[in-house]
Amino acid sequence: RKEVEQDPGPFNVPEGATVAFNCTYSNSASQSFFWYRQDCRKEPKLLMSVYSSGNEDGRFTAQLNRASQYISLLIRDSKLSDSATYLCVASKNYGGSQGNLIFGKGTKLSVKP
Amino acid sequence: GAVVSQHPSWVICKSGTSVKIECRSLDFQATTMFWYRQFPKQSLMLMATSNEGSKATYEQGVEKDKFLINHASLTLSTLTVTSAHPEDSSFYICSARPPAGRFGTDTQYFGPGTRLTVL
Repeated sequence: RKEVEQDPGPFNVPEGATVAFNCTYSNSASQSFFWYRQDCRKEPKLLMSVYSSGNEDGRFTAQLNRASQYISLLIRDSKLSDSATYLCVASKNYGGSQGNLIFGKGTKLSVKP
Repeated sequence: GAVVSQHPSWVICKSGTSVKIECRSLDFQATTMFWYRQFPKQSLMLMATSNEGSKATYEQGVEKDKFLINHASLTLSTLTVTSAHPEDSSFYICSARPPAGRFGTDTQYFGPGTRLTVL
């Protein structure tokens, strides 16, 4: 089983739509979680950290369910500029590796006019 | 957010040559930097963790003699791909972790990446 699994998509949605991405992680020892976005042929950029209490940043809401080892990202009122690949990331704080990040393959989002 | 630069942004070289990639943290000191590799349509794969003043820690399956890492200062880490071959062609990305407490624990900021093509 992959350490971090995501639906690769693509998700094709119209502008203004609400879209949700899900992600599961395999190691219960992971402690920190993030969503990054990556544009084509560019480096990943941190979108937001994910906390158990849930957190919101403008149109973006992230949730973490430790019991189910499940992470989600909700994007409301999608914009054309939201088109990118969204990477689910867990930190690897076990086996002597502190703070190493494990990336999912990413979920591709395409927002159409 | 923090700024990390990488140089060069792209390089094309002949098989058998060595290529050095630099990663710099521009507005913070990074005791730890990370080197990743990403093949087309694949996830980022951690190659090694670079610690200032000590030897790098390599992930399983990554040849330390082929991918030489030097973290000589708190703002610079270099990755040298020795005797590069076509299968080493990939997108190499570094990241740096700011000191604990700044920007949040475990946050990493990425350089813009280096696209290596080995002919």
